[in-house]
Amino acid sequence: RKEVEQDPGPFNVPEGATVAFNCTYSNSASQSFFWYRQDCRKEPKLLMSVYSSGNEDGRFTAQLNRASQYISLLIRDSKLSDSATYLCVAISGGSYIPTFGRGTSLIVHP
Amino acid sequence: GAVVSQHPSWVICKSGTSVKIECRSLDFQATTMFWYRQFPKQSLMLMATSNEGSKATYEQGVEKDKFLINHASLTLSTLTVTSAHPEDSSFYICSARGTGLQWEKLFFGSGTQLSVL
Repeated sequence: RKEVEQDPGPFNVPEGATVAFNCTYSNSASQSFFWYRQDCRKEPKLLMSVYSSGNEDGRFTAQLNRASQYISLLIRDSKLSDSATYLCVAISGGSYIPTFGRGTSLIVHP
Repeated sequence: GAVVSQHPSWVICKSGTSVKIECRSLDFQATTMFWYRQFPKQSLMLMATSNEGSKATYEQGVEKDKFLINHASLTLSTLTVTSAHPEDSSFYICSARGTGLQWEKLFFGSGTQLSVL
């Protein structure tokens, strides 16, 4: 079983829609969590950190649920430019081992 | 944020040649760097973890004699694909662990698209 799982999608939504992605992790020792955005043939770019108390940055909200071992990303008022692949990352404590999910593809259409 | 410079961005080479990819941390010291490869529409696959001044730790199934990693300084790590073959064609990306207040975060190079003819 893969340690970090994501629905690959694609999620195909109209502009202005609200879309949510979930990501589950199996390693209970994971301590740090992030969402990255990756455009085709580009490097992943850090989108935001994820905390149990929630983290909001403009139209983006990330949430961590430690009890259920999942993290979420909510995008409100989707823009065409939000089209990309969104990767969740869980980093284990101690030895700092980052594990990426396979990514969720988002397509925002006019 | 921290900047990681990776080059070359594109490499086209003949089968059997060796290709070196460099990653430099420009404004911080990267004690740990990770090397990934990614096939089209696939996830990032961790190849190896390199720590400055020590041997790299390779993931299962990654040939250490084929993918040579050197992390001789706190700002430079290199990946050499030796005797490249068409099946080695892929997108290779390095990332460095941040320092100070950004110690939890990963910062990526811009990637290298390798095409082996």
